[in-house]
Formats: sequence, structure tokens, C-alpha cells
Amino acid sequence: DADVTQTPRNRITKTGKRIMLECSQTKGHDRMYWYRQDPGLGLRLIYYSFDVKDINKGEISDGYSVSRQAQAKFSLSLESAIPNQTALYFCATSDSGTSTRQPQHFGDGTRLSIL
Amino acid sequence: AQTVTQSQPEMSVQEAETVTLSCTYDTSESDYYLFWYKQPPSRQMILVIRQEAYKQQNATENRFSVNFQKAAKSFSLKISDSQLGDAAMYFCAYRTNRLAFGKGNQVVVIP
Repeated sequence: DADVTQTPRNRITKTGKRIMLECSQTKGHDRMYWYRQDPGLGLRLIYYSFDVKDINKGEISDGYSVSRQAQAKFSLSLESAIPNQTALYFCATSDSGTSTRQPQHFGDGTRLSIL
Repeated sequence: AQTVTQSQPEMSVQEAETVTLSCTYDTSESDYYLFWYKQPPSRQMILVIRQEAYKQQNATENRFSVNFQKAAKSFSLKISDSQLGDAAMYFCAYRTNRLAFGKGNQVVVIP
């Protein structure tokens, strides 16, 4: 079983719909992240959370919101989806114990298409 | 702000040959880590290699090695004896509290 699980794997939806992408992890990590990947732009950070009560905006948070329901769960919402939010979305986790040293562990991504 | 720059959007290499991907970064921090991630067509993000900024010795993982030049803020990845399975997008990443990615290098392996 994957350590970081994202659902759904693929999603096609229409402009204006509310979308939730979910992420769960079994690694026991306290830190979780949401990234967006667009062709030619690499990965950009949307939101991150260092523990259940901590939520922080990343570089491109407009149009998105998150919820950290438990240490193992971190969901990303698009309240009213628009076509330029079409992208590949990644959830990642890391351990704060030796935070800078530890790499982030990624889920397999959710490909979201907004028509 | 952390910035990571990868030039050469696409690199081609003959099977069994060597290819080097360049990466530069901008920082005022002294303690940080650098990573190379591989993203094959399956779209998974796979950690290839990591380098601690305080270590002068370059990291090596099997056929993958880095050339870390701290003063120049340069962190290149060398893939030796290239294999077909090395074909992927490679991302350089810099980390203090958060991870900042470059835009990626596409590696094409020619049989």
C-alpha cells in the first residue's frame, strides 16, 4: 500500500463546481503539503501544514482552501473551479524531526481537468 | 524568496553514455538541503539523491552523482551509464523549511 494516498487519481469537472482532493498518509509524518504542477513550471506550493492546528499559505493559494482533519489527512478544496486550475496536484509529507534533512514523500498525484 | 533555476529544458543522451543536468539556486541561508527528484511518465515523484549544504563531499547513489559547488550555488546531477529507465523529467529542489523546485529537465534516452 502507498504511504501517501491521493484520491481521486483523475477528475474531470465543469467550471464553477466545488472540488475536493483528498490526501491521507500512513507514514506518521506531522507535516503535509499541497503542490500544483503545470507543464514548464515545475511544482508550486499551494498550502502547507506543520501540524493539525497549523495551516499556511504557499506561493499560489488564491482560489484554494485546505483542511487538516487529522494528522494523517489533508484535503485541498477548489470552491468554484475555473479552467486555469487544470493541473496535476500533488500531496506530500515530511517529518519535522530533522525537518531540513528529510525529503518530502509524494503521493501519485491527482490530474484535474476543468472544462 | 527561494529560487531554483534549471536551464536546458530537454537533454538527450545515448544509452550507456553520461548526461549532466545543471541547477543553480539563490539563497542567503547557510543551512539547507538540495535534492534531485525524478518524475517518469507514471508521474510519481521519486527522490534520486540529496546533498547537505554543510558537507563538502559530493553525494553519490549508484549511477547518480552530484557536483555541489556551494560558493557558486550550483548543484548539478550526473547520470552515468544511462539506461532507458532513466528517461524522465528531473527536478532540482532546495529546502529550508519549505521545498522550492526548479522547472525541470526532460531527459530523453536514445537506444
